[in-house]
Amino acid sequence: TQLLEQSPQFLSIQEGENLTVYCNSSSVFSSLQWYRQEPGEGPVLLVTVVTGGEVKKLKRLTFQFGDARKDSSLHITAAQPGDTGLYLCAGPSGGGADGLTFGKGTHLIIQP
Amino acid sequence: EAGVAQSPRYKIIEKRQSVAFWCNPISGHATLYWYQQILGQGPKLLIQFQNNGVVDDSQLPKDRFSAERLKGVDSTLKIQPAKLEDSAVYLCASSLAGRADTEAFFGQGTRLTVV
Repeated sequence: TQLLEQSPQFLSIQEGENLTVYCNSSSVFSSLQWYRQEPGEGPVLLVTVVTGGEVKKLKRLTFQFGDARKDSSLHITAAQPGDTGLYLCAGPSGGGADGLTFGKGTHLIIQP
Repeated sequence: EAGVAQSPRYKIIEKRQSVAFWCNPISGHATLYWYQQILGQGPKLLIQFQNNGVVDDSQLPKDRFSAERLKGVDSTLKIQPAKLEDSAVYLCASSLAGRADTEAFFGQGTRLTVV
């Protein structure tokens, strides 16, 4: 099973600040996904990155896939309280299966 | 479009009892997954179905967990007997293509507490 390490585990910042969270692995992934999960809900897909070096933007969120396809980052500009949640990165679990292996997530709190 | 439906939302049982969870995926989605999410961790894949066949159950504790997907639509996940460490949220997800780079749609989950 390929492992994904996320950092930081917890992050609490003020509204309007910028932040970056990271997802790292010693393994190469054919693709990585970022999900956001709110309390009492299932994860919701934000983005899928498939090409090394790829950058995708979703409004104030910028996602980058490392050149070697072993890491990814999520940058949020001008964070808002609505960005609060658990951010999870996930990649193919490997071994011929199509399910996902998830990191432990970054708990993000944006204070008004 | 209706999402993935799961029931019950919450369940409290004593250790050594049995419990079952139900999932109805998005209509037309051939692939169905069950994940276990322990507090403070990311979801862990338990089992993947393609239609009514099992694709991957390598992380399913088969001595106590079982799952089925009759007729390739609804699915049930059963635990018998439950242990304290089974306390977790059980998430069901479905996808159209059954590929890890396609979007998986998750239900709200069933929160299980074993006391």
